[in-house]
Amino acid sequence: DGGITQSPKYLFRKEGQNVTLSCEQNLNHDAMYWYRQDPGQGLRLIYYSQIVNDFQKGDIAEGYSVSREKKESFPLTVTSAQKNPTAFYLCASKDRGSGPQHFGDGTRLSIL
Amino acid sequence: AQSVTQPDIHITVSEGASLELRCNYSYGATPYLFWYVQSPGQGLQLLLKYFSGDTLVQGIKGFEAEFKRSQSSFNLRKPSVHWSDAAEYFCAVYSGAGSYQLTFGKGTKLSVIP
Repeated sequence: DGGITQSPKYLFRKEGQNVTLSCEQNLNHDAMYWYRQDPGQGLRLIYYSQIVNDFQKGDIAEGYSVSREKKESFPLTVTSAQKNPTAFYLCASKDRGSGPQHFGDGTRLSIL
Repeated sequence: AQSVTQPDIHITVSEGASLELRCNYSYGATPYLFWYVQSPGQGLQLLLKYFSGDTLVQGIKGFEAEFKRSQSSFNLRKPSVHWSDAAEYFCAVYSGAGSYQLTFGKGTKLSVIP
C-alpha cells in the first residue's frame, strides 16, 4: 500500500541533543512538508520541499533543519537550538498541482 | 495574509444529532479549501476538498461542506453523527501561489454523547 511512514512514533530528547525524525513516502509525490502541532494551536509549517535538493523555510523554521537528498525521504532534525521541542510532528506529501496533502501518523517528541 | 478561523474550540453533540462545524477563511483569490479529521495520536485524514465548481461538496464518512464566497465560509456538516465521529476537525486553505502551503485553523474538537 502506498503511504507516508514516520518513525519513530515516540522520541525522547536530552538537553543539548539533536534528534532526527524520519519521513518516507512511496507515493511518488514531488512535494513534502513538515508541521508542528501543539495543543490548541493547529498545525504550523516548519519546512517544505517541492523538489529533490531544494527546500524552503516555513513559519517556524528556527531550531530545525531538513534535507531532501531523495524524492522519497525528507528527514527533520530538531537541533539543540530549539528550546521548546516538545510537540507532535507531522509529515505530509503531495503530488504536482493543486491536489491535497496526505499525512503520516506523526512522531511525538518529548524532553527527558 | 491568509488565515483560517474555526470559532468553536469544542462541540458536544448527541449521537444521531446533526452537526455543523464552522470555518471562515481570509484569502484574496479563489481559495482551495480542505477539511481534515484527526483521531487522538494519529495523523490527519482528508474528509473533503473544494477547488471550484459546485459549492456543495461531498466527502467521506457522510460529511459535506458548503462554500459560501459572500460569507468567506466553508462549514462542514453531517446529518446524523455517529460515536466514531468523535475527533478533532481542521479546516485549511492553500496559500502561496505554486507552493501549496496549507494554513490551518486551530481545530474543533468534537465529542459525541451516546
